Amino acid sequence: NAGVMQNPRHLVRRRGQEARLRCSPMKGHSHVYWYRQLPEEGLKFMVYLQKENIIDESGMPKERFSAEFPKEGPSILRIQQVVRGDSAAYFCASSPTSGSSYEQYFGPGTRLTVT
Amino acid sequence: AQSVSQHNHHVILSEAASLELGCNYSYGGTVNLFWYVQYPGQHLQLLLKYFSGDPLVKGIKGFEAEFIKSKFSFNLRKPSVQWSDTAEYFCAVNGANNLFFGTGTRLTVIP
Repeated sequence: NAGVMQNPRHLVRRRGQEARLRCSPMKGHSHVYWYRQLPEEGLKFMVYLQKENIIDESGMPKERFSAEFPKEGPSILRIQQVVRGDSAAYFCASSPTSGSSYEQYFGPGTRLTVT
Repeated sequence: AQSVSQHNHHVILSEAASLELGCNYSYGGTVNLFWYVQYPGQHLQLLLKYFSGDPLVKGIKGFEAEFIKSKFSFNLRKPSVQWSDTAEYFCAVNGANNLFFGTGTRLTVIP
């Protein structure tokens, strides 16, 4: 049973370009979470999605960031017009169900560098 | 609001020393607590979790943690660390739809 997969593992973008980060949850998991880890900080929640629905995007910056989890295919975190402050590690996690008694399984992360 | 505090930012120990990493949380509802480990260059892995029941939980690789409700704490312990335990350790508490993480403690074990 493959774990959570993310690609690319490393992504370099120039300021103003777009970044697309992909996440394939574990088999049988229908809940996906995105977190961002800035240097020297812990993981900060960004968005929680189920298939075709955004459930909670309270941690998502209001501009330039969007996320989707289509019926078919991976979840995508999209950052438009990247700035240097977007440089971070972006982690995706998945769980089979939601609610308070769940465990999240994390992917290896995508390290975004904005030059 | 939910929050997690890890007061030790960087801990350096010699092999065979005992380890205790502090974690304090703030959460108004039913608490579920987690410790994750991130080895250099790798993704987060679950060490152990507390949902209910026995407040002393045992995890992988000889780690354990004790939930003390009165102190809002969930400290991680290991009686004898190894060089391979060098990693970053994150405490987390559940929110309604996500996990709240502490800033992490970097553990360096010297052979």
